[in-house]
Amino acid sequence: GEDVEQSLFLSVREGDSSVINCTYTDSSSTYLYWYKQEPGAGLQLLTYIFSNMDMKQDQRLTVLLNKKDKHLSLRIADTQTGDSAIYFCAESPLTSNTGKLIFGQGTTLQVKP
Amino acid sequence: NAGVMQNPRHLVRRRGQEARLRCSPMKGHSHVYWYRQLPEEGLKFMVYLQKENIIDESGMPKERFSAEFPKEGPSILRIQQVVRGDSAAYFCASSPGEGQPQHFGDGTRLSIL
Repeated sequence: GEDVEQSLFLSVREGDSSVINCTYTDSSSTYLYWYKQEPGAGLQLLTYIFSNMDMKQDQRLTVLLNKKDKHLSLRIADTQTGDSAIYFCAESPLTSNTGKLIFGQGTTLQVKP
Repeated sequence: NAGVMQNPRHLVRRRGQEARLRCSPMKGHSHVYWYRQLPEEGLKFMVYLQKENIIDESGMPKERFSAEFPKEGPSILRIQQVVRGDSAAYFCASSPGEGQPQHFGDGTRLSIL
């Protein structure tokens, strides 16, 4: 089956680290993605990880992948108010044969000054 | 701006009218995906097209919805005889190849009166 689950809301203080979690069901997924959506805007590709990796770091962003538990996380270091947005986790199941993305419901990150 | 371009940004239609949403992929991208986002939800896949071909329309409602990606010009998502339930944000994404990371446009917000 294809299903992606995320917690709906996370609140942190400016300067703290944020960790957004995601679980997925399709073990065939080749890539797993994190997108950011600001109000009224489209989705910005933040980072992605190939399924044969277990970690990827890109400046303030760290992605961890636990394939055994089908768990993906996004850590944002030194969170800023500009990081306030909705964050979507998405998988690309190999079984779909077309590269379509399956999205979670999104996690709203609120950063308090 | 070499990003994915969608227009219009906002579209208002009365019940029973037709809605046409346009998407120009990023330069060099020949794969186009359409997604729909209902309020407070994640994105749901609708259709995947390559130039002149529909590859996967498994997420598209069987009636009233159609999509095309002609040899010349943008991809078009067409909704005939719109109903209130069609109100949503419609996003287009493009990629350089199947299974490659998708880049999104800013979306078209469709409102049905």
